[in-house]
Amino acid sequence: GAGVSQSPRYKVAKRGQDVALRCDPISGHVSLFWYQQALGQGPEFLTYFQNEAQLDKSGLPSDRFFAERPEGSVSTLKIQRTQQEDSAVYLCASSPPQPGQPQHFGDGTRLSIL
Amino acid sequence: AQSVAQPEDQVNVAEGNPLTVKCTYSVSGNPYLFWYVQYPNRGLQFLLKYITGDNLVKGSYGFEAEFNKSQTSFHLKKPSALVSDSALYFCAVRDIGSNYQLIWGAGTKLIIKP
Repeated sequence: GAGVSQSPRYKVAKRGQDVALRCDPISGHVSLFWYQQALGQGPEFLTYFQNEAQLDKSGLPSDRFFAERPEGSVSTLKIQRTQQEDSAVYLCASSPPQPGQPQHFGDGTRLSIL
Repeated sequence: AQSVAQPEDQVNVAEGNPLTVKCTYSVSGNPYLFWYVQYPNRGLQFLLKYITGDNLVKGSYGFEAEFNKSQTSFHLKKPSALVSDSALYFCAVRDIGSNYQLIWGAGTKLIIKP
């Protein structure tokens, strides 16, 4: 497709379960970002990949959060032993590597932890 | 410290009137500035950017923004608002210390009344 694709769009899980969120970036985009967004708030940076290398994971809130991009395209954000405070929208964005290039966002995964 | 401020949580405009959504920034050096729009249950969509050159930048859907270095502002404008412009608008500036990190404003909810 032409845009960033995220799946699932909605995910409901019980507290303590593990979840995996998928991001399929725009073809050829080297940079990939994961953000967490609370309702009505701006996106909060989680992690950044350049190709398959995770160059920055400073925004991951705990060691329960793990992201990978093994082949430099599709990325997965995994949350282990989910907690209620993990409920949020998780956005993925991709861009070419140059600093002035805009990020292109997917429609996000809305995660609800019961 | 680097920052972005969107001083208005909400802006109300009548359809057909001009609209302005304000953004001010604080970064050292030359800023890269971006505006994004977010519709309900959707990801952020890129509207326009300022990197260098003409202070008046034109973007998608008839929006434009004016870079003012002396006032450290990058206000988003449109000459004639449409009801369909109602959405959440985010201003962002590239973190000077990073090639990829964006510093995001808190967002402004724009409501266009028929």
